[in-house]
This record gives sequence, structure tokens and C-alpha cells, in this order.
Amino acid sequence: AQSVTQLDSHVSVSEGTPVLLRCNYSSSYSPSLFWYVQHPNKGLQLLLKYTSAATLVKGINGFEAEFKKSETSFHLTKPSAHMSDAAEYFCVVPGGSYIPTFGRGTSLIVHP
Amino acid sequence: KAGVTQTPRYLIKTRGQQVTLSCSPISGHRSVSWYQQTPGQGLQFLFEYFSETQRNKGNFPGRFSGRQFSNSRSEMNVSTLELGDSALYLCASSFSQPDTQYFGPGTRLTVL
Repeated sequence: AQSVTQLDSHVSVSEGTPVLLRCNYSSSYSPSLFWYVQHPNKGLQLLLKYTSAATLVKGINGFEAEFKKSETSFHLTKPSAHMSDAAEYFCVVPGGSYIPTFGRGTSLIVHP
Repeated sequence: KAGVTQTPRYLIKTRGQQVTLSCSPISGHRSVSWYQQTPGQGLQFLFEYFSETQRNKGNFPGRFSGRQFSNSRSEMNVSTLELGDSALYLCASSFSQPDTQYFGPGTRLTVL
């Protein structure tokens, strides 16, 4: 069975400061992991994907995530937040038949 | 390449009615998945179609059904609508396996 825990339901940062969104996972299957972003009233957009080629994965809009097997974590980071980063972020792990299991989401709030 | 499109974007129905939502995947994608997103339950998997066959199904009642056409376009139907069916319904497509998915903007269904 697979599960995803996003450790924070809300994260609040000031513009220009670093962003850290935390995700822990559990999976019996191949440890592919994803981060998606959802802006208000929009669908989900793929930010980045880990497929075991490299533990540090770079995504779009300056985001990156590091896969740490020993900690079963896949935290999302960005060095400097921008107002346009305000959105809901989902950590995702595929399970049986590749059907994804979504975390509950982390709402990122960016203050000017 | 055009993205995933969903129609209509907004729907208002009353209890007991039925509704059909449509999804056109990215050209060349043969897997189409449907999700229900609500504030209380988050993102929940409904079903996945591949080459006109339902390949996977989530834990939803039989009132929720779908189909896929030979051009990979998909529809989902909800019969005998209930107030609790109010949600954002998201469609996602992928080339073959539903791991790396591309989402449409969603259909916002309100049941009165």
C-alpha cells in the first residue's frame, strides 16, 4: 500500500524568502514521486517528477525536491518565493496500476 | 500541443438530476483518469480508461460512470445527483500509464 503525508496544511512566507513544503511517503511499489501545483480555480500542473535517476530533481519555476530514502521524504524547496507561487501544492505517489495517491495538499501563502 | 480540455467549466444542477462531463485528452494520450476534488475529502480517484476500456476504478458508488471513445475523448456521468456530489471534477491524461498526468482545468459542479 502507498500513502503520502504532507506535514503542513498551510505554509506562510514573505516574498523573497525560501520555501519548504514537506512530504513523507510510504510505498510498496517503485518510488516514483511527484509534486503538482494548483492555482485557484485551475487544474493541477506538474512541477517535477522523481524517477530514481537523480535524488535532486529540478522542476519548473525554480522549484526543486530532494528524494531521501532513509527519511522517506521528498520535500519541495525554492530559494526565493514569488507572489505568483501562492497556490496549493500536492505531493503524489503512484500505487498499484500506477494510480496516484495524493497528499491532502499544502497551501502556500506569500506575503509581500 | 493543446492541453487537456474539459467542458463545461461550470454546471449547476438540482438533486435527482443527472449530468455528463466531457474531457478531451492531449493528442496521442490514451489514458484518461477522472478525479473528484472537495475541501473535505481532497482529491479522490474515480476511474481510469485506456483504449476505450475501464482499466481502474476507485471507491465510488455506481451512480458514477464513464466511458471512452475511439479518439480517446472521455465522458463521465453522474446519475441521481446528491448535494454531496458538488465538487471540482478533474480529468487527466497520460500517454499510457497514469503516472505522469496532465490535468484539465476541471468542471465545477454545484448541486442545489
